[in-house]
Amino acid sequence: DTEVTQTPKHLVMGMTNKKSLKCEQHMGHRAMYWYKQKAKKPPELMFVYSYEKLSINESVPSRFSPECPNSSLLNLHLHALQPEDSALYLCASSQVLIDEGGRSYEQYFGPGTRLTVT
Amino acid sequence: AQSVTQLGSHVSVSEGALVLLRCNYSSSVPPYLFWYVQYPNQGLQLLLKYTTGATLVKGINGFEAEFKKSETSFHLTKPSAHMSDAAEYFCAVRRFGNEKLTFGTGTRLTIIP
Repeated sequence: DTEVTQTPKHLVMGMTNKKSLKCEQHMGHRAMYWYKQKAKKPPELMFVYSYEKLSINESVPSRFSPECPNSSLLNLHLHALQPEDSALYLCASSQVLIDEGGRSYEQYFGPGTRLTVT
Repeated sequence: AQSVTQLGSHVSVSEGALVLLRCNYSSSVPPYLFWYVQYPNQGLQLLLKYTTGATLVKGINGFEAEFKKSETSFHLTKPSAHMSDAAEYFCAVRRFGNEKLTFGTGTRLTIIP
């Protein structure tokens, strides 16, 4: 099973709302990622968790707050977003970030959450 | 720094014709190379990958790609296009020891009936 699930599929929120995106994988992967994808653009990396610890934060505004409660779950908490934050938010996972030999592994992506900020 | 160039933001081929999507990378050492496909309103699906070993890599849905170090290329091909191949295709690279995946700008493939 190489499935990464994301909920909700669609989310519409106002600029004063607080909402959360959820991502789950049951492949035993220990690295999980959040990407943001605008229309007709490639995904942009936001955050990376490795063994439930935040490993990479790509200078993302603090209105986005990631959380990794356990090895299978990844959340993205949203607060006071702007209309330009409207995008497809993709979660991905991989076996590990980098192994002891320096090798990295392919990432498996979820279907994404389409976020609209009004 | 590594980068990925996908030549042609939009490629159209007739159903049954050869599909060729181009990807060139710049890296001081051979990286890990990937092709992903994205159907409308969906996430990315891994088509194939090159890490080490055989330079001709076969993937899902009849796609294959060849790693050519001398040309720093990893072009994606399929002998006969199907209507279901219409999608956005992303080439991506990850340098050995580097944590990040770098995506190309994508190529939208249109299949003409």
